[in-house]
Amino acid sequence: ILNVEQSPQSLHVQEGDSTNFTCSFPSSNFYALHWYRWETAKSPEALFVMTLNGDEKKKGRISATLNTKEGYSYLYIKGSQPEDSATYLCAANAGGTSYGKLTFGQGTILTVHP
Amino acid sequence: GAVVSQHPSWVICKSGTSVKIECRSLDFQATTMFWYRQFPKQSLMLMATSNEGSKATYEQGVEKDKFLINHASLTLSTLTVTSAHPEDSSFYICSAVAPRSRPEQYFGPGTRLTVT
Repeated sequence: ILNVEQSPQSLHVQEGDSTNFTCSFPSSNFYALHWYRWETAKSPEALFVMTLNGDEKKKGRISATLNTKEGYSYLYIKGSQPEDSATYLCAANAGGTSYGKLTFGQGTILTVHP
Repeated sequence: GAVVSQHPSWVICKSGTSVKIECRSLDFQATTMFWYRQFPKQSLMLMATSNEGSKATYEQGVEKDKFLINHASLTLSTLTVTSAHPEDSSFYICSAVAPRSRPEQYFGPGTRLTVT
């Protein structure tokens, strides 16, 4: 079982600010790191899945990086908009017999003020 | 994109009754589905892995006789909470794996269960 931690727990920013969150996970027996965006009453939306050390992925104003050697991933949002307000979850899954089983962090609640 | 639905979105039941929650993959076939639950101010926690045509595998501490999982088709998995008690009140959410896009998982919107 992996231990996944996210920081900060919550974040308030002004529209137009750029922001970033951290996800840390054990670097041993690591297979993949997932980022989700979760709005209330909706399904968590898959943002990125990364597996290789040094991976960088981008989707519009949102990007993510992965460091498997030290066990962390960063999610960046450039020029935050009110519609970016949501809970951002990261989840790690190990390999082997634990393949597919996601261990989630507690999430970072982002509020973007107009 | 891959869409997963869950039904019902919320349910209130009396202690001692059973409740069935459905998880459907709408536009893809899912050989594997996962069930998670989330208690207030806690992370999503994996309960069990549901494999089409075979028995589910449960995580440590999850009672298999209490949380019955059936994955009878490639698009449907059901979770039945048997003899529910107030401590089973939680948010239950499923995910499905689309073989063409492993290891990505697609989530349903979740079911809020309240046992009175």
